[in-house]
Amino acid sequence: EIVLTQSPGTLSLSPGERATLSCRASQSVSSSYLAWYQQKPGQAPRLLIYGASNRASGIPDRFSGSGSGTDFTLTISRLEPEDFAVYYCQQYGSSVTFGGGTKVEIK
Amino acid sequence: EVQLVQSGAEVKEPGESLKISCKGSGYSFTSYWIGWVRQMPGKGLEWMGIIYPHDSDTRYSPSFQGQVTISADKSIRTAYLQWSSLKASDTAMYYCVRQARRDFDFWGQGTLVIVSS
Repeated sequence: EIVLTQSPGTLSLSPGERATLSCRASQSVSSSYLAWYQQKPGQAPRLLIYGASNRASGIPDRFSGSGSGTDFTLTISRLEPEDFAVYYCQQYGSSVTFGGGTKVEIK
Repeated sequence: EVQLVQSGAEVKEPGESLKISCKGSGYSFTSYWIGWVRQMPGKGLEWMGIIYPHDSDTRYSPSFQGQVTISADKSIRTAYLQWSSLKASDTAMYYCVRQARRDFDFWGQGTLVIVSS
């Protein structure tokens, strides 16, 4: 099973700042099979990025994904108040696993 | 509009059985895999398994194989997750999801299951 490790666990930033979230896999993941989700308190997760770098429908262009192999990154270029949430990466190889999540909180 | 609408919250005692549901609308139900994801209180996301409603082909995460049963009734566009004997450790929020490519593009609102004596 591929283990995804997200870092940092918590990111404390101010609105307008840039957020960089990391997702590291225990073995190589096809870029086509790496996704990112956002979850706000009391809500279901929402797909942000699929195929490592493709924004899902309706996702603002301040969200971008990059990476390949075992290292992937989600970048939020300028944090808006509604972006403070928990973010999960997910891979789908022979099975599906999620990372442990990164909480982006207001500094 | 694609929607996955799940059944309501449940409070059960240990040892009881339970079946929760997820009804899809706004798309071709038999053309997409439907999965289930567990989120225990204050914790992250865990993939449980997935079913293809067209032919009921089902795959389970090794962690959940034998612990739950996933099924679907394509005639009523509904997928199910069931337990034969609940444990306190099954207390969690359960989400159904539609699989797009190799990701989950639509999520149900979640069904909270509380198992307590």
